[in-house]
Amino acid sequence: ETGVTQSPTHLIKTRGQQVTLRCSSQSGHNTVSWYQQALGQGPQFIFQYYREEENGRGNFPPRFSGLQFPNYSSELNVNALELDDSALYLCASSLSGAGANVLTFGAGSRLTVL
Amino acid sequence: DQQVKQNSPSLSVQEGRISILNCDYTNSMFDYFLWYKKYPAEGPTFLISISSIKDKNEDGRFTVFLNKSAKHLSLHIVPSQPGDSAVYFCAANWGGNEKLTFGTGTRLTIIP
Repeated sequence: ETGVTQSPTHLIKTRGQQVTLRCSSQSGHNTVSWYQQALGQGPQFIFQYYREEENGRGNFPPRFSGLQFPNYSSELNVNALELDDSALYLCASSLSGAGANVLTFGAGSRLTVL
Repeated sequence: DQQVKQNSPSLSVQEGRISILNCDYTNSMFDYFLWYKKYPAEGPTFLISISSIKDKNEDGRFTVFLNKSAKHLSLHIVPSQPGDSAVYFCAANWGGNEKLTFGTGTRLTIIP
């Protein structure tokens, strides 16, 4: 059983650029959530995708968008990058209805915006 | 507005002793609470959880206590082992969904 894999692990962008982060779900999971963890903070919920549609969103602006594909993998896109977008982005997969305790996180993509 | 708070950024405990990590919450809607453990360069991993209908849940060396009237929960690790050194996050949700609200974390260091 493979876990959640994320790519890239590290990347550096400049202000105003766009970035795409990728996530492969754990086998058997059909829901993907994205979290942003700024330095010294806990992870903050960005949004969740189920059946290829957004299923709940946290307090993040529309320039944060996502996709879920038929194989349940997912992308997080951030447009018009700002310095405050520098953070660790965590993807988590789960099986809808199975409960939060089966949420499985990837190791994250660390984004630095200069 | 920080709905889940971990007021101790760090904690050091002697190996073999008890580690107690604390968490407070403000949102009365929360009905399920979880603890995650995070090692460097790895994602958070689920440790233990508790439903609001219980006041205690135990799993081996780990016990979580919930005091709903005080909106407070704690994680007890006994005995503490060097491999327990990690950052511990408290998280909460409600309504059975997977959208978690996390605290800021406590870095636990076990001293051999």
